[in-house]
Amino acid sequence: TQLLEQSPQFLSIQEGENLTVYCNSSSVFSSLQWYRQEPGEGPVLLVTVVTGGEVKKLKRLTFQFGDARKDSSLHITAAQTGDTGLYLCAGELSAGAGSYQLTFGKGTKLSVIP
Amino acid sequence: EAGVAQSPRYKIIEKRQSVAFWCNPISGHATLYWYQQILGQGPKLLIQFQNNGVVDDSQLPKDRFSAERLKGVDSTLKIQPAKLEDSAVYLCASSLDLSWLGLAGHRGAYEQYFGPGTRLTVT
Repeated sequence: TQLLEQSPQFLSIQEGENLTVYCNSSSVFSSLQWYRQEPGEGPVLLVTVVTGGEVKKLKRLTFQFGDARKDSSLHITAAQTGDTGLYLCAGELSAGAGSYQLTFGKGTKLSVIP
Repeated sequence: EAGVAQSPRYKIIEKRQSVAFWCNPISGHATLYWYQQILGQGPKLLIQFQNNGVVDDSQLPKDRFSAERLKGVDSTLKIQPAKLEDSAVYLCASSLDLSWLGLAGHRGAYEQYFGPGTRLTVT
């Protein structure tokens, strides 16, 4: 059973369009992180959301953490070809003794077509 | 600041052979993680070190996988013997540990930085 469900799994859009990807769970997370991964590279952190209802903006990217801290969304405005990549959400859970673990979703593979 | 270094970048072996991966974390990062990322999936945590101690290895297949971080800096992950289903990208990540500052309750206190990964193909 996947702790974090991401949707859609695949998304192909034209340059200039808007899109939203979702990350859902039945678990409550201490925080939630969004990463972008390009082929042959490791994931790169985009943002961490911590407080329920929090909204963070990173240029054309808007991240929202659900009020109950169980879900999150990533909205991209006016997508560019450089946005192409695998978008991963990861929920942070306490592992005890002051340490935390990340549980990743399967990711949304985004292709932006020129 | 140098990032997380991993080697080799690619490795092809036959099943039942052994293989080892190396990771050098960002300087000063106390926590080191090894993840397995199978094609089409997100990374799955195999083992987490805090300095040279293991914090969590519950998802490490201990009959064939082992990992060590002897001096609390570099780490190696070994697979012996390899199976076809071990074909994946093995990612190393590191993070600061702020819990000793009493910030354990500070959510999002430990952002992870990933290396480029080692792509393993078992034939």
